[in-house]
Amino acid sequence: GEDVEQSLFLSVREGDSSVINCTYTDSSSTYLYWYKQEPGAGLQLLTYIFSNMDMKQDQRLTVLLNKKDKHLSLRIADTQTGDSAIYFCAERDDKIIFGKGTRLHILP
Amino acid sequence: SAVISQKPSRDICQRGTSLTIQCQVDSQVTMMFWYRQQPGQSLTLIATANQGSEATYESGFVIDKFPISRPNLTFSTLTVSNMSPEDSSIYLCSAVTGGSNQPQHFGDGTRLSIL
Repeated sequence: GEDVEQSLFLSVREGDSSVINCTYTDSSSTYLYWYKQEPGAGLQLLTYIFSNMDMKQDQRLTVLLNKKDKHLSLRIADTQTGDSAIYFCAERDDKIIFGKGTRLHILP
Repeated sequence: SAVISQKPSRDICQRGTSLTIQCQVDSQVTMMFWYRQQPGQSLTLIATANQGSEATYESGFVIDKFPISRPNLTFSTLTVSNMSPEDSSIYLCSAVTGGSNQPQHFGDGTRLSIL
């Protein structure tokens, strides 16, 4: 069945870049998403990319998609303490399938 | 992007009771969904809320336990019936607004604890 995999934890020093990786299995995915969940909050859509795109940049966020390898990454430049959260990768064809989330921890 | 409002934001309920969660979207909606997020876990799709007809449930979820209504395009309710401690979760409403090629947005969720 469809599956989305991502590492569970990532620690990054404040000011460095964070790279969160994700792999998925459904080759018919039309959209791939990154959501952010802060403690006690719902899911905030950070960015998304259509499956026919390779890259999307939005201020400090860069999404790279390697469709051949079914690999998606989210790069956060100049990581700040406010970026501390759980980041969910998700793919969508007729419905969204979520990964288990990567908890990003910012080191001072 | 759409604003999705859920009520209540949290509740503590007694075992065996039922709770209805409301979801209101502020713009035209093509699709609405209900998800569950158990503590420390990812999101699991409960069902797709269909306007004017019965919801489409995912494997492991049934209408008797999670009845869903969607009387119009921008409003839906999810009822968690005959609750047990295992139902303690965050329940999230989600919607695709505008065309079906638009991204999916989420409400802030309802945090439910069952004693």
